[in-house]
Amino acid sequence: QVQLVQSGAEVKKPGASVKVSCKVSGYTLTELSMHWVRQAPGKGLEWMGGFDPEDGETLYAQKFQGRVTMTEDTSTHTAYMELSSLRSEDTAVYYCATRWRGAFDPWGQGTLVTVSS
Amino acid sequence: EIVLTQSPGTLSLSPGERATLSCRASQSVSSSYLAWYQQKPGQAPRLLIYGASFRATGIPDRFSGSGSGTDFTLTISRLEPEDFAVYYCQQYGSSPMYTFGQGTKLEIK
Repeated sequence: QVQLVQSGAEVKKPGASVKVSCKVSGYTLTELSMHWVRQAPGKGLEWMGGFDPEDGETLYAQKFQGRVTMTEDTSTHTAYMELSSLRSEDTAVYYCATRWRGAFDPWGQGTLVTVSS
Repeated sequence: EIVLTQSPGTLSLSPGERATLSCRASQSVSSSYLAWYQQKPGQAPRLLIYGASFRATGIPDRFSGSGSGTDFTLTISRLEPEDFAVYYCQQYGSSPMYTFGQGTKLEIK
C-alpha cells in the first residue's frame, strides 16, 4: 500500500519560498498521480494542483498559477511542492495525496508552513 | 467553477443516532467523481466514500453515500463516539479540477 511521509514544519518570512517534500513508499512515483491540498488554520481544504494522468501534465489551480511548482524525483521516490512569494495568507498545513478514482487516498501527514515577519 | 455547499454547517447529535449530511453542487457532478472525507483535529483527511456510494477500504458499513446530479448525501446509520469529526465532500471534473465543500462539523450533543 502507498505511504506518504512529508517533511517537517517550516517558518518563512513574507516574500520567501518554501519547498515541501513528500516521500513515497509502497509504489513508485510513476505509478501514482500526486496532488497537493492545503488547509489554512480553522478553514477547509483547498486543492492546489497535481499530476493529471489523462493529459500527462501537472495542472495547477488558477489561484496558484505562477507561484507554485510541483516536481518529482523518481530516483528518491519524492515529490515536491514549492510555493514562492509567500504571504501571511499562505500560512497553512500542506498535504500531499495520491489521486485514486477521482478522490484522494492516501494523504501525507501534513506540513505546517508559517509565514511571519 | 463548480461550488459545493454542505449543510448543515454544524450537526449536534448523540451516539447511536443517525446522521445525514448534505452536499449540493452548483452544477451537475458526475457520480463517479464525488467523494466524502472525515477529518479529526490534527489529522489528515481520510477517504470514506468515492464514486458517490462506494466505501473506501476499511470503512465501516455504518457509513453510506448516495445521490446524483447536484445532490449528494452521506449517512452514518448509528453514530459511534469516534465518528464526531468534520466531514468534507469533494468533486473532480470541471475547472478547477477538484473542489471541496466547506465542511460539516458533527459534534456530540
